[in-house]
Order: sequence, then C-alpha cells, then structure tokens
Amino acid sequence: EAQVTQNPRYLITVTGKKLTVTCSQNMNHEYMSWYRQDPGLGLRQIYYSMNVEVTDKGDVPEGYKVSRKEKRNFPLILESPSPNQTSLYFCASSHLGEGGYEQYFGPGTRLTVT
Amino acid sequence: KQEVTQIPAALSVPEGENLVLNCSFTDSAIYNLQWFRQDPGKGLTSLLLIQSSQREQTSGRLNASLDKSSGRSTLYIAASQPGDSATYLCAVEGGADGLTFGKGTHLIIQP
Repeated sequence: EAQVTQNPRYLITVTGKKLTVTCSQNMNHEYMSWYRQDPGLGLRQIYYSMNVEVTDKGDVPEGYKVSRKEKRNFPLILESPSPNQTSLYFCASSHLGEGGYEQYFGPGTRLTVT
Repeated sequence: KQEVTQIPAALSVPEGENLVLNCSFTDSAIYNLQWFRQDPGKGLTSLLLIQSSQREQTSGRLNASLDKSSGRSTLYIAASQPGDSATYLCAVEGGADGLTFGKGTHLIIQP
C-alpha cells in the first residue's frame, strides 16, 4: 500500500530535550516536505527536499533541522525544543506528474513541549 | 508571496443540502490546486486535484472548479450527509517547494 508513515504519532517532551520525528514514504517520490498545523494559522511549511541531499527552508524553519540521506526518509529534528513548537506536524511526499506535484500526507505527529 | 483565503471559516447546514465552499488565491501562477479533507485529530485526505489547465474535476458528490485568472476555486458538495462533516482545506502549488494552504472551512452537517 502506498503511504507516508510518521513516528511517533504522539510525543510529550520537555524543553531542551532533543527529539527526532521520522517520516518515510514507499512511493519512490523525489519530493518531501514537513508542515506544522496550528489553530488559526493553518498549515505552514517548515522544510522541503527536492531529492537526496537537497533540502531548503520553507516558511517557518527556525528551530528545526532536516536531513535527506535516503530517498524514502526525511526526518525532522528539533535540537532544543521549546513550548512554541507544540503543534501538529505533517510529513508529505510528492512526485512530478502531468498536473504538477500531487502531495500525499502522513497521519500526523502531535507534539507537546512542556 | 502566495496567500490563500477560504470563506466561510465555518458552516453548519442541514443534511441533504447542496453547498459551496470558496477558496481564493493571490498569485495565479500555480501548477495545480488541491482540496483536502481533514477529520478532527487526523491527517489530510486528498479529495480533488485540479491542474492549472483544467476548469473542474468531479468525484462522486464533489465537484471542484478553478478559475485561475481570477484566483478562485469552489468546492461543491451535493446532497450533503453527516459523514461529510470535517474541515476542508484548499491548497495551491507553485512548484516543487510545496503547497500554500488556506486556513480551512469547518463544515458541520446536521442530521
């Protein structure tokens, strides 16, 4: 089954404790990205990757890191989480088709930083 | 910078009604427009994708239109059902760097 998976689905942590949210896709998509969703602000892009070893900042990259060492994986790293990073995070992958890039989303990771 | 606006922010209608959700965007240079559905605490499910060269797409009771020149899209839901209750998100794509989302329309269908 074609899918985007994220782990963990739920995470409660404390300020300053490094964490990684994993994202994996099995569709051989070149493009992957991370979004965060906050009430009243909608979904905003954090980082994206156009291929292995190619990453770039989205709209709200501060406080986050990413890496793309393999095509299927795109982990999101919070080196020193802060309470303002409490949010719902989505990973997405896409490929270039006739109509542009149709995005497929993971189930989301709900992060709480205390 | 692309901005996407969805109106109304919330909508509550009786079961069986036909309804229209609106989406507007500021930059008409898009590759495509996607409509998503999101259930509470869940991920996004893609409903329809309209390529920039297309005017509309249909899937079952859903019909989405696109007027790229005016920066508008509508999602038409026919014969609404309680199971249609969800948040509907409109997103436009300007390239490989991803989507710009609206803030969504929260839809409640009353049984």
